Amino acid sequence: KQEVTQIPAALSVPEGENLVLNCSFTDSAIYNLQWFRQDPGKGLTSLLLIQSSQREQTSGRLNASLDKSSGRSTLYIAASQPGDSATYLCAAPNSGNTPLVFGKGTRLSVIA
Amino acid sequence: EAGVVQSPRYKIIEKKQPVAFWCNPISGHNTLYWYLQNLGQGPELLIRYENEEAVDDSQLPKDRFSAERLKGVDSTLKIQPAELGDSAVYLCASSHGTANTGELFFGEGSRLTVL
Repeated sequence: KQEVTQIPAALSVPEGENLVLNCSFTDSAIYNLQWFRQDPGKGLTSLLLIQSSQREQTSGRLNASLDKSSGRSTLYIAASQPGDSATYLCAAPNSGNTPLVFGKGTRLSVIA
Repeated sequence: EAGVVQSPRYKIIEKKQPVAFWCNPISGHNTLYWYLQNLGQGPELLIRYENEEAVDDSQLPKDRFSAERLKGVDSTLKIQPAELGDSAVYLCASSHGTANTGELFFGEGSRLTVL
């Protein structure tokens, strides 16, 4: 059964800093991995979807990488802004045609 | 394009009462998911539909929870009777294609408080 772990659980950084959020998964036979953002009291917003054949995906200041062999993904946020403050979750499917299993998330605070 | 729509956004009920949540997925998305999210945790899958068929309901507590997706579009999740431990956020998501290949899009969630 897939297990997804996110470290750290919480992170506080000053505005403008580049930062990396980590995600690890136990079953490397995944088809894709997805990163989400969740603001307090809101649903999840999809940020990036990486297919297993890809090494990374970029969207604006966000870059997500995937290393299936080591069971790791990272989300890089460049030049962080207070508006980036939210909880970031990664999710990967169990092997086979099964839906996403989520980590507990990293709660990010960017201080102005 | 409209996103995933859920209602109600908030619901407060007393224990042993019934409650129902409704979800309208993104148009054209054949796969629909109901997730449960407790405070400080990631979402956990309750049930997944591909069109009208429930293809994964292994985590759904069937003694009190039920779901349906008639006509393969809208879906309803029901709890009867509700218990204190059911207080959580119920999230609906949809995707185009299969569970393993489609990007998931979530609604705002329905926050349930059981007193």
